[in-house]
Order: sequence, then structure tokens, then C-alpha cells
Amino acid sequence: DAGITQSPRHKVTETGTPVTLRCHQTENHRYMYWYRQDPGHGLRLIHYSYGVKDTDKGEVSDGYSVSRSKTEDFLLTLESATSSQTSVYFCAISGGDGSYEQYFGPGTRLTVT
Amino acid sequence: GQSLEQPSEVTAVEGAIVQINCTYQTSGFYGLSWYQQHDGGAPTFLSYNALDGLEETGRFSSFLSRSDSYGYLLLQELQMKDSASYFCAVRGYNQGGKLIFGQGTELSVKP
Repeated sequence: DAGITQSPRHKVTETGTPVTLRCHQTENHRYMYWYRQDPGHGLRLIHYSYGVKDTDKGEVSDGYSVSRSKTEDFLLTLESATSSQTSVYFCAISGGDGSYEQYFGPGTRLTVT
Repeated sequence: GQSLEQPSEVTAVEGAIVQINCTYQTSGFYGLSWYQQHDGGAPTFLSYNALDGLEETGRFSSFLSRSDSYGYLLLQELQMKDSASYFCAVRGYNQGGKLIFGQGTELSVKP
């Protein structure tokens, strides 16, 4: 299995509070991704990174920011959490030029009350 | 842009064969991928078709027809453990390293 972990695995927070989710990889892969998964919506890309300090937006980036200061870590921040951001968040990695084969972390279940 | 359509649910019996279709609209893409996700788990990569035709991996096969904008995942000798959600995904030209996923098909295998 690809070495990819996410922390925390579960979090409950209140509306308006900042939240940071961490993705850590030990594979030295160039590409890292953050997705959210909601019933009926499949996997939707929030942001992704193609190298240290190189990031780009996905299809649902509003309300989220990311940072990648090291190859192995990709952080997702919700500056001011809202109930609509209650979701399961998956981090994924891929090598090469961003291949068709992505390896996913175990997910973080976030509840915003 | 890209969009992919899959049936939301499919039901089949143990030992049978099931086909999960994926139709897409895209201006151009490198290939079609398939992922499996068990309830409560993370998606895992199953297969990839860069070229038209059939790719076989054990009990699972995947097919792509670019001329028909269509692909499918074929599962043979169904087992209860195959009950999961299945997602198709494409990486379009000029999309960097991004994959666009379909909304997924929930497969239920009955005894």
C-alpha cells in the first residue's frame, strides 16, 4: 500500500472556526490532491499540488486554501468552517506527470455544527 | 470541460456477470480509469484504458471506445465482496494532473 496518511481521521468543529487537515506521504510523489466526497456527488477535486509551493484550484475550491511547503505534506485549510463543508475529505497522491493511477488516504470525516 | 455519467445503482447475484457503463463528454482525454470504493473505505485503483479495446485483470475487465464516447467495467464471477461503489474517471488534455470522476455506481451483490 502507498504510504499516505491523513490527520485527524475524525473532527467535529463549530461554524466559523478554522480547521486544518493534514496529508502526509512517504512515497516522494510529485502530485497531491484534496477531494471531498458527499452522497450523490462522487469525488470532487478541491485543490491539487504539482510540486512544492505549486498548487492549483479544482472544481470546488471556494472556502478552502492549501499549502505545500514540503514534498511529503499537503495541508487543507478551511478558514471559517461552514455546515456545507461537512463531508469526508480524501487526500490522494500520484507520481510521474499526474498519472491516471492515484493512491488515496484513509479519509477524514469532518462535521461542522 | 468533461462530464461522465454512470448508473447510480446496479444489483446482481453472486456468480453472475455485471457491466457498469460510463459515458462521457470531453474534448479530449488520455484514458479512462476505474476505481473501487467499499463502504467506509478509500477509493482504490482498478484499471486503466489508454487505448480502445478490452483490458483484463483477473475477474475484472475494462473496455473503452473513443468513437462511441463510452466505456465499461465488467465484473465476472461476482462475489459478495464485490459489493462496493465503482467510479470511472478521465484525465483530460490540458488538465494538468487532474482526474475528473463520475458520480459512481453502487453495486449490490445478492446471494
